[in-house]
Amino acid sequence: EVQLVESGGGLVKPGGSLRLSCAASGFTFSNAWMTWVRQAPGKGLEWVGRIKSKTDGGTTDYAAPVKGRFTISRDDSKNTLYLEMNSLKTEDTAVYYCTRVIKSSYFDYWGQGTLVTVSS
Amino acid sequence: EIVLTQSPATLSLSPGERATLSCRASQSVSSYLAWYQQKPGQAPRLLVYDASNRATGIPARFSGSGSATDFTLTISSLEPEDFAVYYCQQRSNWPPYTFGQGTKLEIK
Repeated sequence: EVQLVESGGGLVKPGGSLRLSCAASGFTFSNAWMTWVRQAPGKGLEWVGRIKSKTDGGTTDYAAPVKGRFTISRDDSKNTLYLEMNSLKTEDTAVYYCTRVIKSSYFDYWGQGTLVTVSS
Repeated sequence: EIVLTQSPATLSLSPGERATLSCRASQSVSSYLAWYQQKPGQAPRLLVYDASNRATGIPARFSGSGSATDFTLTISSLEPEDFAVYYCQQRSNWPPYTFGQGTKLEIK
């Protein structure tokens, strides 16, 4: 059974930093492209960033609102995905989901999400 | 950037009725379109990908259609558990993924 379990969310002040983790199981993590998607309270879904598998280059891409502040990485030996968030803004407040990507295009498995609140 | 516009914003129907949800893209996305269902307090669930292929375990009452800029998700006969928010999502060159704003399907 595929499982994605996020952790690391919490309350942080504007300008602060936080690192989210996503523990994956039930599939060959090293072969998977992974993404982070967020959802602000009461709002819709917003793609945050993507990391390809190492066999596809292991490259990362980011949405414009987070580029230069957020960094996605992966540890295939630990089956874990990370999201390092710096210079956090109040508008980054959201539930953050990690997802697995299929066909380079769609998100077939989602974690339960972890809430990040940026507030003074 | 390709913008996805979903309509209606809210759809009020009764169990047993047919639901038709629309997603329009600002430019062609070929068939690179998916639909997701999200219930309160839960993560989204993939329903349909490549415009018309049901994901694993999705009931046959859910069907997707369309291509280029106009797409439809149809639920043939609503079950009580189908009342939720539905999002469409497309894949393109850049940004690689965008979502529509969602359609809330509520019980009439």
